[in-house]
This record gives sequence, structure tokens and C-alpha cells, in this order.
Amino acid sequence: AQTVTQSQPEMSVQEAETVTLSCTYDTSESDYYLFWYKQPPSRQMILVIRQEAYKQQNATENRFSVNFQKAAKSFSLKISDSQLGDAAMYFCAYRRGGGSEKLVFGKGMKLTVNP
Amino acid sequence: DTAVSQTPKYLVTQMGNDKSIKCEQNLGHDTMYWYKQDSKKFLKIMFSYNNKELIINETVPNRFSPKSPDKAHLNLHINSLELGDSAVYFCASSRDTLRLEQFFGPGTRLTVL
Repeated sequence: AQTVTQSQPEMSVQEAETVTLSCTYDTSESDYYLFWYKQPPSRQMILVIRQEAYKQQNATENRFSVNFQKAAKSFSLKISDSQLGDAAMYFCAYRRGGGSEKLVFGKGMKLTVNP
Repeated sequence: DTAVSQTPKYLVTQMGNDKSIKCEQNLGHDTMYWYKQDSKKFLKIMFSYNNKELIINETVPNRFSPKSPDKAHLNLHINSLELGDSAVYFCASSRDTLRLEQFFGPGTRLTVL
């Protein structure tokens, strides 16, 4: 079974600084996708960024980028120029390739942004 | 113009009762999901429907019964509620089973007393 591990339950960062959230996963599949979701206090789950396993290039979305290390099964999220609105729970998730596949989530990490 | 909506947002009920949570999406998606987020924030898939057909059914007690009257709706009915059912339940949808992005509803916080 696939598992997703987020070993740091909490982190904090100063506004405008950079922070990296770690995630490791375990799978024997070659076709899969990785995601970072954000859950602010409003509870809404928001997709932050997605990485296809077959792509060597790391995904980037504005201030958010990932460091995808396929051999190490590591998928970290870097948030640059942190903003107060980035404060939230962050969940790493895995999805096997193909149809009808579920998202498997890590346990989440709470990010605090200090002004 | 809410994409995925859930009602109610909060539900407080007594142990042993039967309750339903409704979910509707106006995105024209074919696939819908129910997730459970426990008190430790752990989020886990419960069910998935594609075009009103059940495609994913995790190890969930049969007290939980999803119902999809049409593609736009996926309701969750829970019989004989137990204390351990207290959680936040999220509905989500995706365009189809191959599309990767899932759009989540705002969640329903269920508290069983």
C-alpha cells in the first residue's frame, strides 16, 4: 500500500522568508502523481501544486515550487516570500496513475507565518 | 456560484441517530468523492462515484451509505451514529476518473454526543 509521510507536524516562518515543507512517500508504482494541498482555518482544501512522476522538471506555481527527488521518494514544497495568508495546514498527497484512483494524504503540517 | 457545496456545515446529534450530509457540484464533473478528516486532521477517502456508479469503497462501516441520485449530487447517509463518527466530512469532485485535480467542498463538521 502506498503511504505518505510528513514528519514535521508544525513549522513557523517569518513573513517574507522562505520555508520548505518535507514529504516522503512509499510506492512501487512508476506512474503516479504528487500534490500539495493547503487547508486554511476556513477548512477549504485548496490545491497548491501538482507534480507528475514522469516529469523530471520540478513544478512551480508563482511563489510555490517543489523539489521532487524520485529516487529518494521525496517531494518537498518550498514557499518563497511567505505571506500571512500562507498560514494553514499543508497536506502532501499521492495518487497512482490511471483512472479511478484515490488520493492518499499525509497527516499534514501546520504552518505559522509570523509578522 | 459555489463549485462544490455541502449542507449542513455543522451537525450536532446524539449517538444512535441517523443523519445525512448533502453534496452538490455545479462544475459538470462526472466523479465525486467523500473524505473523512478525523480530530488529528488525518484525511482519508471513503467513497468515490463516477456517473452515479460506485468505484471506490474503502473499508467503511456499512452504517455509511452514499447515494448519488444524479451526477451532480453525492449524499452521505449515516445510520446509528457513534462517537467515533465525529469528524469533518469533505465532499470533492473531479471532471472524471482520469482528471487529477479534485475540487473540495467546505466540509461538514459532525459532532456526535
